[in-house]
Amino acid sequence: NAGVTQTPKFQVLKTGQSMTLQCAQDMNHNSMYWYRQDPGMGLRLIYYSASEGTTDKGEVPNGYNVSRLNKREFSLRLESAAPSQTSVYFCASMREVEGASSGANVLTFGAGSRLTVL
Amino acid sequence: LAKTTQPISMDSYEGQEVNITCSHNNIATNDYITWYQQFPSQGPRFIIQGYKTKVTNEVASLFIPADRKSSTLSLPRVSLSDTAVYYCLVGGGWNSGYSTLTFGKGTMLLVSP
Repeated sequence: NAGVTQTPKFQVLKTGQSMTLQCAQDMNHNSMYWYRQDPGMGLRLIYYSASEGTTDKGEVPNGYNVSRLNKREFSLRLESAAPSQTSVYFCASMREVEGASSGANVLTFGAGSRLTVL
Repeated sequence: LAKTTQPISMDSYEGQEVNITCSHNNIATNDYITWYQQFPSQGPRFIIQGYKTKVTNEVASLFIPADRKSSTLSLPRVSLSDTAVYYCLVGGGWNSGYSTLTFGKGTMLLVSP
C-alpha cells in the first residue's frame, strides 16, 4: 500500500525555468492538496482539489498552477521558478468522513519534494 | 476558522511523560481536534483525533475538557525517536469544508538521553 507518492524527491532549478511536481494516491480519496513548508514554518496550503475536475486556491497560490488529471493524480506546476519558491513541497490526500458521527477528515501526506531555485 | 496556539518548543528526557497543550478558544460545535507528528525530511502523519473527553491509542492519549477550548496531547515514556514537530489542528468535521485544514507552526519536541 503506497499511500501518497511524490516525484521527484529533489530538484534544482535556475530562476525562470519551469517544472512539474507529480503526486499520486492509491487510497481512492476524493480530495488532494499541495502544501509548501519553509524552514521553521508550518505548512501553508497552495492549492487543493475537492474532486476530480475541480481545483481551488489556498493560502499561497501565486506562481503555481495545478492539474487534477484524474482521481489519483494531482500535479503542481511552476511556470517560471523564482528563488522565493525554494521550499519543501508536500502533497496530501484526505479521507473524508461520511457522517456527523464518523470523526473528522484525516490527511495522508507524501514524503515531500525538496526544490531549490538558484 | 478556529485558530490554535501551541508552545513553540519543549524539551524532555527519555522515559518521561510529555504533555503538549493546544489552545483553541473559538472551536466550533462540529470541529474535531486532530494531532499530527512530523519527523525531519518527512511529511506529517496522523497521531490521534478526538471530539471530547479522552481518547487513547497505541501511540498517545488526547485529553479534551468539557468546554473544548483546549486539548492536551500526552506521550507516555518518550524515547529519542519521539523527537519531532507536533501539530494541533481544529476542524475537519463532516461537511465543514476544506479550508479548515490549516497548520500552525507546531511544537518542536526535543527528547534527550
